[in-house]
Amino acid sequence: ILNVEQSPQSLHVQEGDSTNFTCSFPSSNFYALHWYRWETAKSPEALFVMTLNGDEKKKGRISATLNTKEGYSYLYIKGSQPEDSATYLCALAGAGSYQLTFGKGTKLSVIP
Amino acid sequence: EAQVTQNPRYLITVTGKKLTVTCSQNMNHEYMSWYRQDPGLGLRQIYYSMNVEVTDKGDVPEGYKVSRKEKRNFPLILESPSPNQTSLYFCASSPTRGLLNEQFFGPGTRLTVL
Repeated sequence: ILNVEQSPQSLHVQEGDSTNFTCSFPSSNFYALHWYRWETAKSPEALFVMTLNGDEKKKGRISATLNTKEGYSYLYIKGSQPEDSATYLCALAGAGSYQLTFGKGTKLSVIP
Repeated sequence: EAQVTQNPRYLITVTGKKLTVTCSQNMNHEYMSWYRQDPGLGLRQIYYSMNVEVTDKGDVPEGYKVSRKEKRNFPLILESPSPNQTSLYFCASSPTRGLLNEQFFGPGTRLTVL
């Protein structure tokens, strides 16, 4: 079982603040890295799928970077809004595997 | 509308009573998967399927069975449910089996085994 770690577990930010969180994974066993956004009482929704070292992807105020050599990805949210409150999950697809291993998530609360 | 559907959405049952949770997708996706979500443990993969008649174990397959007789359907079977299978279950699908594409999740099934 691959070890995918996310930090912090939770954080509270004020509306308008920018924030970021980390997903760490074994650099020796990388194929693809997924980010999902999961709102309470809903299903996880995909944000990004990243495969290349140095890759940077953006969707509105949310962006992500990937470092496969050192085994981490950052998710950034610029100017947080209350509707950004959710749990953000990363998931690793390992080389040679058809499984997706999820981290435990970072729960973001944006205070109006 | 492109979607993944699951039924039932909520189920309360008793230990040992066989049950099936259905999952269906209308996007012609090759890859389908079942996950369970437990507090403090994150989403854990139970089984996955790369195509019709091709299934494989995930990280927590004990106590579960699956089948993939048609491309669109991927039911999860609990032959003899136990209380430790009380959980929130998600079905997901993806266009290809290589995990280079995002997964589309169903609405979830909350199962309670008494």
